[in-house]
Amino acid sequence: GAVVSQHPSWVICKSGTSVKIECRSLDFQATTMFWYRQFPKQSLMLMATSNEGSKATYEQGVEKDKFLINHASLTLSTLTVTSAHPEDSSFYICSASDRRGTDTQYFGPGTRLTVL
Amino acid sequence: QKEVEQDPGPLSVPEGAIVSLNCTYSNSAFQYFMWYRQYSRKGPELLMYTYSSGNKEDGRFTAQVDKSSKYISLFIRDSQPSDSATYLCAPTTGNQFYFGTGTSLTVIP
Repeated sequence: GAVVSQHPSWVICKSGTSVKIECRSLDFQATTMFWYRQFPKQSLMLMATSNEGSKATYEQGVEKDKFLINHASLTLSTLTVTSAHPEDSSFYICSASDRRGTDTQYFGPGTRLTVL
Repeated sequence: QKEVEQDPGPLSVPEGAIVSLNCTYSNSAFQYFMWYRQYSRKGPELLMYTYSSGNKEDGRFTAQVDKSSKYISLFIRDSQPSDSATYLCAPTTGNQFYFGTGTSLTVIP
């Protein structure tokens, strides 16, 4: 149980294009989803927290107009990187919890974004 | 001061060794203490967690929390090459997680 999937697992795009990453909870309802970014050899950096049906809460320093998060249903959240640039190349990981403010997060496998 | 401090390693041990991974933290509001394992190019997976002080054992893994000294540990007995990964500690208040930088472990056959 508690499986989280991400799609795509790997994406390469040209600079200036937008990329959408999907995060799905497959066997539970995720009231809260988290989006992380991880650069090589660094730890996870929380980008934003989203609760189903409400606007995402972004961490300090994360541009909400650049990283659009939509948590439209209890099983799906999307992260759109708008006008991507090479410095946005990173590993993006989502996680989901089944209760608001819960103690456990279940992580997706991650999406590697490479912007040329 | 960082919320969580974790020695990034790398740590290299022979197969069968006992491994000790540690974190210190500063926020006394942390209640749950999670350990994640992350293989290269994969998302982190929850390994185990403890609530408040004490020990929790799961197979070859033991998680230990000492809230008085704000010190959390993960012990791996009889380490295996398949244990080679990055281990991240993540104490949480219940509403927010704080990840350590992760310790890279290599178990040599």
